[in-house]
Amino acid sequence: GENVEQHPSTLSVQEGDSAVIKCTYSDSASNYFPWYKQELGKGPQLIIDIRSNVGEKKDQRIAVTLNKTAKHFSLHITETQPEDSAVYFCATSSTGTASKLTFGTGTRLQVTL
Amino acid sequence: NAGVTQTPKFRILKIGQSMTLQCTQDMNHNYMYWYRQDPGMGLKLIYYSVGAGITDKGEVPNGYNVSRSTTEDFPLRLELAAPSQTSVYFCASKGGVWNEQFFGPGTRLTVL
Repeated sequence: GENVEQHPSTLSVQEGDSAVIKCTYSDSASNYFPWYKQELGKGPQLIIDIRSNVGEKKDQRIAVTLNKTAKHFSLHITETQPEDSAVYFCATSSTGTASKLTFGTGTRLQVTL
Repeated sequence: NAGVTQTPKFRILKIGQSMTLQCTQDMNHNYMYWYRQDPGMGLKLIYYSVGAGITDKGEVPNGYNVSRSTTEDFPLRLELAAPSQTSVYFCASKGGVWNEQFFGPGTRLTVL
């Protein structure tokens, strides 16, 4: 089955700096790559996603890049703010699998003042 | 829309007890999922359903059962609770043409 590795497990940045989280996957059939943000005591919430026919997608301060050849994708957060502090999960799924998601192990992002 | 709701929020069980975790969605989604989240391990899929009357196993189904008698409800049953089932359980649903899964707030279960 699919295996998703996520790095780093923890990340501390100063407010205003950029943060980058990387994921690699094993299944070449994966074609959907979402990123979820999980705040303390809450369920994961989708913040951005990308499909395999696109190499990059941006939404305000958040961007995701995908390299299908190398089987890795990354989340980029610019101009970080304290409210960005949370746990971030990458995930993958493929067509025909009932959209079942395989998650990475998460990155705890701490934005310090 | 309330989205995906889960009850209870917290529960402590003794070894061998049984319980049902409730999940309801009001978005008329066909797809529903149960995940467990252990510390530092991400989310693992327990069971999923592609529509009323249809369920299938995920990655970690042992010790659990599900049913899907209606589009809205997807309860998860633990028959003989074990300490290894101590975890946070999330229900999710998906519908329409987009792949976004909407998650509930979770149930924190402790088995002692």
